[in-house]
Amino acid sequence: QQQVKQSPQSLIVQKGGISIINCAYENTAFDYFPWYQQFPGKGPALLIAIRPDVSEKKEGRFTISFNKSAKQFSLHIMDSQPGDSATYFCAAMTLHGSSNTGKLIFGQGTTLQVKP
Amino acid sequence: DGGITQSPKYLFRKEGQNVTLSCEQNLNHDAMYWYRQDPGQGLRLIYYSQIVNDFQKGDIAEGYSVSREKKESFPLTVTSAQKNPTAFYLCASSTIGGQPQHFGDGTRLSIL
Repeated sequence: QQQVKQSPQSLIVQKGGISIINCAYENTAFDYFPWYQQFPGKGPALLIAIRPDVSEKKEGRFTISFNKSAKQFSLHIMDSQPGDSATYFCAAMTLHGSSNTGKLIFGQGTTLQVKP
Repeated sequence: DGGITQSPKYLFRKEGQNVTLSCEQNLNHDAMYWYRQDPGQGLRLIYYSQIVNDFQKGDIAEGYSVSREKKESFPLTVTSAQKNPTAFYLCASSTIGGQPQHFGDGTRLSIL
């Protein structure tokens, strides 16, 4: 029940295309869903995050779509660029209340390659 | 600049040897974390600490040990009991129970 399942494992997109990465979770106590971007040899960096009280959050070319009833959320990268080539991780945690342990549960990661 | 410093960037361990990975942060964060990253498996939590002199086991703590004597520092020791230590190790920090987690640039540990 603590797992976050991420797909696809790898993704190749042409420059200017839309990249879509999907995640699913089981624990309904999760109330914070961040996405991290990681370049080779570097640590992950927070890209964008969403709380379950909204269905969509957009920051520039990056959008999170959230479906609470389906327990799914996805990252959309519009107008994908070669510089977006990286590994992307979704994650989830319980941020509020007595269940908050500060622990992030990560998906398995998606390696994105954007071809010029 | 505020951030997390991990050292060394590359580390080699001989069989039967303990090695210690350093993690220092100047973000004034209370919570610190250690993750292990293997290809195709995402990040798995080894240990975490929400306050000085206290820490909890994560999902894969066997063969690892930590200490938290100072707020700024959270070193990880990979002991000889860890039979498959080759991995990329990431340290992170955050406000207490909060987000986001800020990550260092990792230490890559290999076996000689």
